[in-house]
Amino acid sequence: GENVEQHPSTLSVQEGDSAVIKCTYSDSASNYFPWYKQELGKGPQLIIDIRSNVGEKKDQRIAVTLNKTAKHFSLHITETQPEDSAVYFCAASRGAGTASKLTFGTGTRLQVTL
Amino acid sequence: DAGITQSPRHKVTETGTPVTLRCHQTENHRYMYWYRQDPGHGLRLIHYSYGVKDTDKGEVSDGYSVSRSKTEDFLLTLESATSSQTSVYFCAISPDPGLREKLFFGSGTQLSVL
Repeated sequence: GENVEQHPSTLSVQEGDSAVIKCTYSDSASNYFPWYKQELGKGPQLIIDIRSNVGEKKDQRIAVTLNKTAKHFSLHITETQPEDSAVYFCAASRGAGTASKLTFGTGTRLQVTL
Repeated sequence: DAGITQSPRHKVTETGTPVTLRCHQTENHRYMYWYRQDPGHGLRLIHYSYGVKDTDKGEVSDGYSVSRSKTEDFLLTLESATSSQTSVYFCAISPDPGLREKLFFGSGTQLSVL
């Protein structure tokens, strides 16, 4: 089955700096890669996703890049703000089939300091 | 949280007792999922449903059963709770029939088995 590794497990940046979280996946058939943000006491919230036919996607201060050859994808947050502090999860899926079969990474705790 | 209500939000129970968690959605989406979240493991799929009375196992289904008698409700049952089932449980839905991997999560149920 799919295996997703996520690094780093914790990341501390100063407000205004950029943050990068990286994930690698094992199944070359995976074609959907979402990123979730989870704040304390809440459920994961989808913040951005990318399909395998696209190399990069941006949404304001957030971007995701995908390298299919190397089987890794990354989340980039620019101009970080205190409200970006949360746990971020990457995930990968090889396609819908009968239902979602997302495999998640183990999470990165991002701390944005003033 | 995407029209998803999980109940209870917190539950403390004793080893060997049965426990049922409820997920209620307001939008009549076909696909519903139960995940558990544990430190170091990210989110792992327990069971999912693709319609009334249509369910299937995920990667960590042992010790759990599910039922879906109505479109809006998806129940997760621990027949005889064990301490290893102490976890945070999340329900999720797939609102987009064309992209079933795109999940939206509820707020979670914190379950402690003593």
